[in-house]
Amino acid sequence: ELKVEQNPLFLSMQEGKNYTIYCNYSTTSDRLYWYRQDPGKSLESLFVLLSNGAVKQEGRLMASLDTKARLSTLHITAAVHDLSATYFCAVDRDDKIIFGKGTRLHILP
Amino acid sequence: DTEVTQTPKHLVMGMTNKKSLKCEQHMGHRAMYWYKQKAKKPPELMFVYSYEKLSINESVPSRFSPECPNSSLLNLHLHALQPEDSALYLCASSQVNWVGEAFFGQGTRLTVV
Repeated sequence: ELKVEQNPLFLSMQEGKNYTIYCNYSTTSDRLYWYRQDPGKSLESLFVLLSNGAVKQEGRLMASLDTKARLSTLHITAAVHDLSATYFCAVDRDDKIIFGKGTRLHILP
Repeated sequence: DTEVTQTPKHLVMGMTNKKSLKCEQHMGHRAMYWYKQKAKKPPELMFVYSYEKLSINESVPSRFSPECPNSSLLNLHLHALQPEDSALYLCASSQVNWVGEAFFGQGTRLTVV
């Protein structure tokens, strides 16, 4: 069974700080995805990581993928309040996406 | 147009009602999906349509009945739902075999009373 585990599941941090969310998955996959979801809203695709060593950056967010370790990270640099949301990583297998449980990120002004 | 449009945005229905959720996209995507999301949980896949044919049914109860009338439309027919079916229902679309690069609609917030 494919499992996707995120940690932490909840993160409260001060503005201006750096932090990393981790995503481990249990089976081979070369494609990993990060999504953002604001409360009561839909999912927004943030990053698509398609190969080992892939690194993508958008603003204060940077995602990376290590397929050998089955690990992806989402790094937040100098957090701002607008980044408060729930972040999901996901892996695809057999035409399905398997989501992690999500990391609820709360950034304090 | 990179939107997936879902209607209605909110729906309250009784357990004996029949209602339908609708989803539309004009991106030329030939894969469309229904997800169910409970509060503070990740989305759970319900159905996948590929080239207008049902390809995946994740053991969803028969009170949920999907339909894909054409390549742009996806419906979810609801009948005799239970209160525990109350959730956010998300529609998504993608290129076939690129399920992770999906565009999600804004969802229908369903409450069953």
